[in-house]
Amino acid sequence: QKEVEQNSGPLSVPEGAIASLNCTYSDRVSQSFFWYRQYSGKSPELIMSIYSNGDKEDGRFTAQLNKASQYVSLLIRDSQPSDSATYLCAVFRMDSSYKLIFGSGTRLLVRP
Amino acid sequence: GAGVSQSPSNKVTEKGKDVELRCDPISGHTALYWYRQSLGQGLEFLIYFQGNSAPDKSGLPSDRFSAERTGGSVSTLTIQRTQQEDSAVYLCASSELVAFTDTQYFGPGTRLTVL
Repeated sequence: QKEVEQNSGPLSVPEGAIASLNCTYSDRVSQSFFWYRQYSGKSPELIMSIYSNGDKEDGRFTAQLNKASQYVSLLIRDSQPSDSATYLCAVFRMDSSYKLIFGSGTRLLVRP
Repeated sequence: GAGVSQSPSNKVTEKGKDVELRCDPISGHTALYWYRQSLGQGLEFLIYFQGNSAPDKSGLPSDRFSAERTGGSVSTLTIQRTQQEDSAVYLCASSELVAFTDTQYFGPGTRLTVL
């Protein structure tokens, strides 16, 4: 089992719809969770971070964390074609090491 | 201010040659991370530095890989006797501290191709 799992997609949604991206993680010592967006041929850029159970909203983006279920999600409201990218879920562990563990990413396509 | 920079942006080398990849973190950032991303894959952690010290080298794929950081700033990742499976994009990131709340900012990456 991978430490951080994501559906590879592609997830295809029409413009204006809500895109829902999901991520599960296996290590209960994980303390913080990040969503990065990566356009093709570019480096990852941070979209959202979340540390506590519940929802965190930032503009069109909402991150949701459920530590009991070891589940984190990203909702994108009013999806735009410019949101088309790969979304990487990352989990930060601080046990014997300090590192971000990344999922393999979900490719999102927003259809005009 | 300036972000994380990496050089070269592209490197093509022959199997068996050594390569050096350079990372300049954001000024003042104490933590520096190296990742590798193979085609269509997620990011694979290689090593991190806190200051000039590398507490965790467990992600380095083999003893052909080494990294150092000097002056709490620039870092170099060296791959000796390169193999075709080393072909990937090597990404560097930095953060202000090593803390679970800290954001890692990524550089543009070095695309390494081993022929």
